Amino acid sequence: AQTVTQSQPEMSVQEAETVTLSCTYDTSESDYYLFWYKQPPSRQMILVIRQEAYKQQNATENRFSVNFQKAAKSFSLKISDSQLGDAAMYFCAYRKYSGGGADGLTFGKGTHLIIQP
Amino acid sequence: NAGVTQTPKFQVLKTGQSMTLQCAQDMNHEYMSWYRQDPGMGLRLIHYSVGAGITDQGEVPNGYNVSRSTTEDFPLRLLSAAPSQTSVYFCASRPSGAREKLFFGSGTQLSVL
Repeated sequence: AQTVTQSQPEMSVQEAETVTLSCTYDTSESDYYLFWYKQPPSRQMILVIRQEAYKQQNATENRFSVNFQKAAKSFSLKISDSQLGDAAMYFCAYRKYSGGGADGLTFGKGTHLIIQP
Repeated sequence: NAGVTQTPKFQVLKTGQSMTLQCAQDMNHEYMSWYRQDPGMGLRLIHYSVGAGITDQGEVPNGYNVSRSTTEDFPLRLLSAAPSQTSVYFCASRPSGAREKLFFGSGTQLSVL
């Protein structure tokens, strides 16, 4: 079974600084997807960024970027120019590729990100 | 443009009671799923469906039943609630393509006393 590990239960960063959240995963699959989700106090799950394992180029979405190291099974999230609205729980998630797309997501336990004004 | 709608938002049950958590989506998505989120844990998959009339078990299916009679609706049934089922429940849907984004509902906070 796949596992996703987030080793940082909590991180704190000054507003406007850069922070990196870590995620490692374990899988025997070669094709899969990796995701970072944000969960603010409103409880809503918001997709931040998505990476396909077959793509060597790291995904980027505005201030959010990933460092995907397939051989090391590492998938970290970098948030640049941190803003107060970035404060939330961040979950790393994995889904293996299957033709029918039926597989669910496997989540890590999350990292609580605090933004210091 | 409602997206994924879950009802109720909050519910308190007594041990042994039954209830149904409702989930509806208006995006014509084939795939729907239910997750639970416990404190200090990520979300875990309970059941999922790849289309009307087709359901399957996820990681933690015990104590829950599902059915999918229409594309829009995917209710989750607790037949005899237990304190271990106290959790936040999320419904999610997406189109059938493997890379498609998952759309989440806003969750149901369930407490079983």
